[in-house]
Amino acid sequence: DGGITQSPKYLFRKEGQNVTLSCEQNLNHDAMYWYRQDPGQGLRLIYYSQIVNDFQKGDIAEGYSVSREKKESFPLTVTSAQKNPTAFYLCASSRGLHSGNTIYFGEGSWLTVV
Amino acid sequence: KQEVTQIPAALSVPEGENLVLNCSFTDSAIYNLQWFRQDPGKGLTSLLLIQSSQREQTSGRLNASLDKSSGRSTLYIAASQPGDSATYLCAGHSGGGADGLTFGKGTHLIIQP
Repeated sequence: DGGITQSPKYLFRKEGQNVTLSCEQNLNHDAMYWYRQDPGQGLRLIYYSQIVNDFQKGDIAEGYSVSREKKESFPLTVTSAQKNPTAFYLCASSRGLHSGNTIYFGEGSWLTVV
Repeated sequence: KQEVTQIPAALSVPEGENLVLNCSFTDSAIYNLQWFRQDPGKGLTSLLLIQSSQREQTSGRLNASLDKSSGRSTLYIAASQPGDSATYLCAGHSGGGADGLTFGKGTHLIIQP
């Protein structure tokens, strides 16, 4: 079945550690996104990519990094510079960045700092 | 920048009732508006996408409308069922790149059996 796979579902990070969240899609979509969701807040855009080897910062990119070496994959690294990383992270994709495209989401990854 | 508001934050209704969820936005030059469903601890599932040139979209028991002049969209759920219990989010796209998409905080819906 076509879709977006995020892993791991749950991840614990120690202070000072970098961790990487995986996102893979088999929808043949060009555009991919990472959002962060905190309780009581709407989704906030971290990074997005329109095409392979290109990505742009969103509203809250500080403390995060991404890569887009393959069309299917858009991993997110939460670095030690992110001071409040505990949140629910959502990966998404769409055919393009054009506003007429439906955006599809993965099942999310929970990150907790211990 | 576009602001999207969903009121109420939570709603509880008996099974079988028809109900309306509200979404308001500040920029009437909206390109499209999308409604999503989110179950606890899960990702978002796209329900309906309304382009700016459309006034409504329907899928099964769901009907979404868009009124750009008043800055409002509604999601109508007919004959509600306990399985409809979830958080419903709307997101407005004001054009440009991915940063043109703004999400509301959602309405948490509970359908009482």
